[in-house]
Amino acid sequence: GQQVMQIPQYQHVQEGEDFTTYCNSSTTLSNIQWYKQRPGGHPVFLIQLVKSGEVKKQKRLTFQFGEAKKNSSLHITATQTTDVGTYFCAVIYSSASKIIFGSGTRLSIRP
Amino acid sequence: EPEVTQTPSHQVTQMGQEVILRCVPISNHLYFYWYRQILGQKVEFLVSFYNNEISEKSEIFDDQFSVERPDGSNFTLKIRSTKLEDSAMYFCASSERGGVGYTFGSGTRLTVV
Repeated sequence: GQQVMQIPQYQHVQEGEDFTTYCNSSTTLSNIQWYKQRPGGHPVFLIQLVKSGEVKKQKRLTFQFGEAKKNSSLHITATQTTDVGTYFCAVIYSSASKIIFGSGTRLSIRP
Repeated sequence: EPEVTQTPSHQVTQMGQEVILRCVPISNHLYFYWYRQILGQKVEFLVSFYNNEISEKSEIFDDQFSVERPDGSNFTLKIRSTKLEDSAMYFCASSERGGVGYTFGSGTRLTVV
């Protein structure tokens, strides 16, 4: 079925270290979205990437879309405790009538 | 910042009972969705709704489930004859148009006992 694979499943880092999560697809994607879900919270839309090789930044967060549009990454520089949560990639399918989420990467941070 | 509102925040129901989960999407949004998340797992698509009809539904969304937009503001998910495995967080989401980021509500935690 349609799905994206996301790795790693968990990442535990020291505060101030960097963090990266990766999303991979076997098929070419038209776009990819990233969401953050705080513990006990709901998914919050972060960004959408559409173009091949696209790179977007939001403060300490850098989002990349691969040249072949089959993979994407989210990199956080110098993590802070407020970055704790699960980061999901998501892909729009079927004429935009649904998005399918990856399995998520849970980030925890040692102060 | 406009919000998607969901009620109740927590619902406990006995197995076999029917529940209705309610959502008020953002007023100028045209696309509506229901997702569920079993504790500790990923967010799963249930159904999308546009122009007063279902656009797409997943294999999870069987005859036990139905959605309705009874008036201009509410969007409901009905689960008939609930089962223990229906226990999950149910999220409503809306978007202004297709192909953009969704705004999620804070969810309804459904516990079937």
